[in-house]
Amino acid sequence: DAKTTQPPSMDCAEGRAANLPCNHSTISGNEYVYWYRQIHSQGPQYIIHGLKNNETNEMASLIITEDRKSSTLILPHATLRDTAVYYCIVRVALIIQGAQKLVFGQGTRLTINP
Amino acid sequence: EADIYQTPRYLVIGTGKKITLECSQTMGHDKMYWYQQDPGMELHLIHYSYGVNSTEKGDLSSESTVSRIRTEHFPLTLESARPSHTSQYLCASSGRVQSNEKLFFGSGTQLSVL
Repeated sequence: DAKTTQPPSMDCAEGRAANLPCNHSTISGNEYVYWYRQIHSQGPQYIIHGLKNNETNEMASLIITEDRKSSTLILPHATLRDTAVYYCIVRVALIIQGAQKLVFGQGTRLTINP
Repeated sequence: EADIYQTPRYLVIGTGKKITLECSQTMGHDKMYWYQQDPGMELHLIHYSYGVNSTEKGDLSSESTVSRIRTEHFPLTLESARPSHTSQYLCASSGRVQSNEKLFFGSGTQLSVL
């Protein structure tokens, strides 16, 4: 799996957009970009994923550069409950034989300030 | 949202005791996983399963064992608990959602061995 690089920590004011960057310069053509987050000590929660087009759902938007070497997760109106560790993971979409052994790395600790 | 349950949520136990951490999911997922996480540190995969009667070691060596006799159930056992086993244990399962495989996590078991 391609390696990802994320800043260890970020701060954002409540109500503003939080933009979390991720570098994945060795991504291959069949690998997707996944984002998960972990609030306090709970289990990680899936946020969004994408291949090459920008994606949006009820939680966030994902912007992937044209060369696919980096991406940005956008939380459009951050709230205090968005304070969490955010993980960017690059992985093939389906594992035909085997398990989805996601490697979570250090992630970015996002703090939303009132 | 996720139908995956872990019990107990917290466990404090003495050295040498045998313990079993329970994990059940009602989503019919074939693949299940155990991750271990120390406070503020990365998640490490310790066990996974492709389906009934299959178990595999993860990326981090662990003295725990697992079993998969039923699709929905993936318990983790420590035969003789030690203080070094103190950690959070997170169970997950994965299934196909719109041609992508997503991981769903339980709330975790926080284990303290005295």
